[in-house]
Amino acid sequence: KQEVTQIPAALSVPEGENLVLNCSFTDSAIYNLQWFRQDPGKGLTSLLLIQSSQREQTSGRLNASLDKSSGRSTLYIAASQPGDSATYLCAVGRTSGSRLTFGEGTQLTVNP
Amino acid sequence: EPEVTQTPSHQVTQMGQEVILRCVPISNHLYFYWYRQILGQKVEFLVSFYNNEISEKSEIFDDQFSVERPDGSNFTLKIRSTKLEDSAMYFCASSVERGAYEQYFGPGTRLTVT
Repeated sequence: KQEVTQIPAALSVPEGENLVLNCSFTDSAIYNLQWFRQDPGKGLTSLLLIQSSQREQTSGRLNASLDKSSGRSTLYIAASQPGDSATYLCAVGRTSGSRLTFGEGTQLTVNP
Repeated sequence: EPEVTQTPSHQVTQMGQEVILRCVPISNHLYFYWYRQILGQKVEFLVSFYNNEISEKSEIFDDQFSVERPDGSNFTLKIRSTKLEDSAMYFCASSVERGAYEQYFGPGTRLTVT
């Protein structure tokens, strides 16, 4: 059974800092990995998706990397802003179209 | 930009009552999903639906739950006899049936069972 773990559970940084969020998964036989953002009481916004054959994906100030063999992904946020404050979720899919298995998330606070 | 929509945004019901949660997936998507998130807990998978049938379901998705695609645009989740522990945020998601299978989530329905 796939287990997804995210470290740290919470992170507080000053504005402008670069930061890294970590995600690990126990079963390396994945099809894809998605990073989401969740604001309090809101839905999930897809930030980046990495397919199993890829090593990284970039969108603006966000960069996600995947090391499938070691069961790890990182989300790098450059020059953090207060508007980045949210919970960041990592989720993995085993096959095409299959369920996503989620981690518990990292709650990020960026202080002005 | 196309998005997944869900109605209602909040539903309050009494224990034992039936509820139907509604979703309109993105129009060219063919995979549909329901997830739920109990307050303070992980997002959990309930069921996926493809080609007019359930393609995968979790152990949570027991006989009290059912899904339906009643027409070309709606996708519903029915809970026949709600329990207190069904109180959660329910998310609908959809994806295309090729390529990366990126899942797009709706804003959720907050279900409160009293």
